[in-house]
Amino acid sequence: DGGITQSPKYLFRKEGQNVTLSCEQNLNHDAMYWYRQDPGQGLRLIYYSQIVNDFQKGDIAEGYSVSREKKESFPLTVTSAQKNPTAFYLCASSGLVIDTQYFGPGTRLTVL
Amino acid sequence: GENVEQHPSTLSVQEGDSAVIKCTYSDSASNYFPWYKQELGKRPQLIIDIRSNVGEKKDQRIAVTLNKTAKHFSLHITETQPEDSAVYFCAARDDKIIFGKGTRLHILP
Repeated sequence: DGGITQSPKYLFRKEGQNVTLSCEQNLNHDAMYWYRQDPGQGLRLIYYSQIVNDFQKGDIAEGYSVSREKKESFPLTVTSAQKNPTAFYLCASSGLVIDTQYFGPGTRLTVL
Repeated sequence: GENVEQHPSTLSVQEGDSAVIKCTYSDSASNYFPWYKQELGKRPQLIIDIRSNVGEKKDQRIAVTLNKTAKHFSLHITETQPEDSAVYFCAARDDKIIFGKGTRLHILP
């Protein structure tokens, strides 16, 4: 999982702003994922992508958008439509055949 | 779609005793079952996994068992140590991984 990076580590957003969280991997993984984690809670899937230029909604996609223009990169935009975005955001990646999922270090987003 | 139930949500055990966390899944097509450990403020780390063609797997003090007929799998930690204190997540995968809600494990001195 050292091959997955997320930036920034901490992010502060004013209400009404869109912000983009970066996720990059050099593991040559086909699939990438975004999860949201709230304090004391589990992992909720926002979006996932199994190939370049294709992605699917997870359980809580409303207020979020993604793109997958390169195999290595899967940025997440938290839009102003997401009413309660303060959370810990985790990116993950996996192969399609060897499907162990590895996580990045996370971005902690706080709305001011 | 797949649904994963995890129990208990909180578990306290004396240092040196064993801890067991149980999960059930709903989709019989699921064929891969990883377990993750997450320390406070850190990323989840894979600690052990099992595939559907295997009934049990062990790695030092950690073991996982799988009962495909009953659709449940369990994590066993023996000789628990303070550094085992963390949140543990089970997961099941067919086309994508579905996580349980986690178990907070406290190791008591």
